Amino acid sequence: KNEVEQSPQNLTAQEGEFITINCSYSVGISALHWLQQHPGGGIVSLFMLSSGKKKHGRLIATINIQEKHSSLHITASHPRDSAVYICAVSPSYGGSQGNLIFGKGTKLSVKP
Amino acid sequence: NAGVTQTPKFRILKIGQSMTLQCTQDMNHNYMYWYRQDPGMGLKLIYYSVGAGITDKGEVPNGYNVSRSTTEDFPLRLELAAPSQTSVYFCASSHLGELWDQPQHFGDGTRLSIL
Repeated sequence: KNEVEQSPQNLTAQEGEFITINCSYSVGISALHWLQQHPGGGIVSLFMLSSGKKKHGRLIATINIQEKHSSLHITASHPRDSAVYICAVSPSYGGSQGNLIFGKGTKLSVKP
Repeated sequence: NAGVTQTPKFRILKIGQSMTLQCTQDMNHNYMYWYRQDPGMGLKLIYYSVGAGITDKGEVPNGYNVSRSTTEDFPLRLELAAPSQTSVYFCASSHLGELWDQPQHFGDGTRLSIL
């Protein structure tokens, strides 16, 4: 079993829909990261969070440390949101040195 | 600031050839990382460095070597290219400190094919 699981693997939405991508993890963590990988391949960090909720524009990330679960929400989705969204965790066990454990990603396609 | 710069963007190698993937960052980050991304898989850590002169193996280091002679540069060397090393390679950097951590900043990737 992977240490970081994302669902769904693929997601197709209509423009304007509210989107939720889920991430579950099985290790103790110091932080959780949400990343966006554009169709051209570049990877951008969206959020780094260790508790509660963060918001940036139409994107909201939440984390429940007790349940080892995080969600990424996109409000009023737009075709330019089409990308692969990757969840990654910074494990808190000794010697992790900032290394991340990555999920396999969720491919989002937003249709006009 | 340019951020993290990787070169080349694309490369085709023959089996047994060697090459160096270049990575440089201008953010004065102490940590640098090399990942590979294979289709349908999460990124896997190859090597990382916590500062100039210090490197360590990640999850999939076999067939690769790294060096970190300066804070800015972290090249990845393939000595004897094998088809299993066909992948997209990403370099990343971050600042990790006693008081605050930064998220990782990624380069645009190098798409490498071994034929």
